[in-house]
Amino acid sequence: AQSVTQLDSHVSVSEGTPVLLRCNYSSSYSPSLFWYVQHPNKGLQLLLKYTSAATLVKGINGFEAEFKKSETSFHLTKPSAHMSDAAEYFCVVSDLGDTGFQKLVFGTGTRLLVSP
Amino acid sequence: GAGVSQTPSNKVTEKGKYVELRCDPISGHTALYWYRQSLGQGPEFLIYFQGTGAADDSGLPNDRFFAVRPEGSVSTLKIQRTERGDSAVYLCASSPTPRPPYNEQFFGPGTRLTVL
Repeated sequence: AQSVTQLDSHVSVSEGTPVLLRCNYSSSYSPSLFWYVQHPNKGLQLLLKYTSAATLVKGINGFEAEFKKSETSFHLTKPSAHMSDAAEYFCVVSDLGDTGFQKLVFGTGTRLLVSP
Repeated sequence: GAGVSQTPSNKVTEKGKYVELRCDPISGHTALYWYRQSLGQGPEFLIYFQGTGAADDSGLPNDRFFAVRPEGSVSTLKIQRTERGDSAVYLCASSPTPRPPYNEQFFGPGTRLTVL
């Protein structure tokens, strides 16, 4: 089965400084990987996805992630944090399962705190 | 356009009662998913529908949980004899198709279920 591990439960940064949210995956085949963001009382929103094309994936709101097969990592970065980035971030791997259809396997989440 | 909607947004019930949670997917999306998010955890897959049929119900925790999608659009998650451990946020997602590359899942805001 596919799985992801988010290495930090909380990350605190100051506004304007870089963001790094770490994720390692485990997959028996070439995975599809995603980052979702969850703002309080709002639905999960897709930030970006990797589906075996370019290893550096650009997403919305200035976020990007790099797929590194040798390190089984898919870390999320942003050059400069904004107050509105404060939220819960989930690293997600796609598991095709026995049916061949996709279901998502979520990590436990990283809460990003941004201070002024 | 309208996103995925879920009703009710909050549901408080007593142990042993029956509850129904409703999901309205994005119009035209054939794939519909239910996930459960417990406090401090990432969402966990429950069941997936392709059209009217449940293609994968491997995530349902036990036979107290059941879901239907009779006309291939709206879905209802049903929980019998609720237990305190069922308390969680229940998320619904839909996608145009379950297969890459157009398989991004769009999430609703969730229903927060509290079992007293």
